Amino acid sequence: NAGVTQTPKFQVLKTGQSMTLQCAQDMNHNSMYWYRQDPGMGLRLIYYSASEGTTDKGEVPNGYNVSRLNKREFSLRLESAAPSQTSVYFCASSEGWVYNEQFFGPGTRLTVL
Amino acid sequence: DQQVKQNSPSLSVQEGRISILNCDYTNSMFDYFLWYKKYPAEGPTFLISISSIKDKNEDGRFTVFLNKSAKHLSLHIVPSQPGDSAVYFCAAGRTDSWGKFQFGAGTQVVVTP
Repeated sequence: NAGVTQTPKFQVLKTGQSMTLQCAQDMNHNSMYWYRQDPGMGLRLIYYSASEGTTDKGEVPNGYNVSRLNKREFSLRLESAAPSQTSVYFCASSEGWVYNEQFFGPGTRLTVL
Repeated sequence: DQQVKQNSPSLSVQEGRISILNCDYTNSMFDYFLWYKKYPAEGPTFLISISSIKDKNEDGRFTVFLNKSAKHLSLHIVPSQPGDSAVYFCAAGRTDSWGKFQFGAGTQVVVTP
C-alpha cells in the first residue's frame, strides 16, 4: 500500500517548456487535489477533483490544467512554464467530503529557469 | 488574501515540556479545522481536526482548542518529544465548500534534549 505517489520528485524546466506532473493513489479515494507550496506561504489549492470525471479550480489555477484520468490518477500540466511556477507541488487524496483528512504525496520540487 | 495565519514561524521547546502552536483565521464562515505535520522532503500528514461545534478535541498527546469568538485555534503537544520536530500547518475550511482548505504558512517546531 503505497498511499499517494508522485512523479517526478525533481524537475528543472526552461521558461516556456511544458510538463506533466503525475499523481496516483491506491486507497480507492474519491477526491484528489493539487497544491503548491511556496516559501513563507501555506499550501495553496490549484485544482481539485471531487470525484472521478469532475475537476474544478482552486485558489491559484492560472497556468495549469488537470486531468482526472481514472479514479486512481490525477495529473497536473504546465503548458508553458514560467519562473513564477517554481514551487513544490503536492498531490493529495481523500475519501470524500470535507470531514475527511487528506493524504499527501511526497511532493515534486519544480524549478523554472 | 491569507485568511489563515500562523504568526510564529518557529518554536523551540525542551523535550518533555508543552508545545503550544497558534493559528488565527479571519473568515467567520470557516467551520472545520485541521492540523498537519510535515517532515522535510515528505508530504504533510494529518494530525488532528476539530469542528466548530466543539471547542476542544484530544488525541493522545495532541489537543486542539478552538475559540470561535476570537477566531483562534491552538495545538498543544504534551509532552513534547524529539520526533515532534517538524513543521506544523493549520488549515481551515467550510463544510459547504468541498475540500477547499486554506492553510497557514506553518510553524517550525524544534524539540531540544
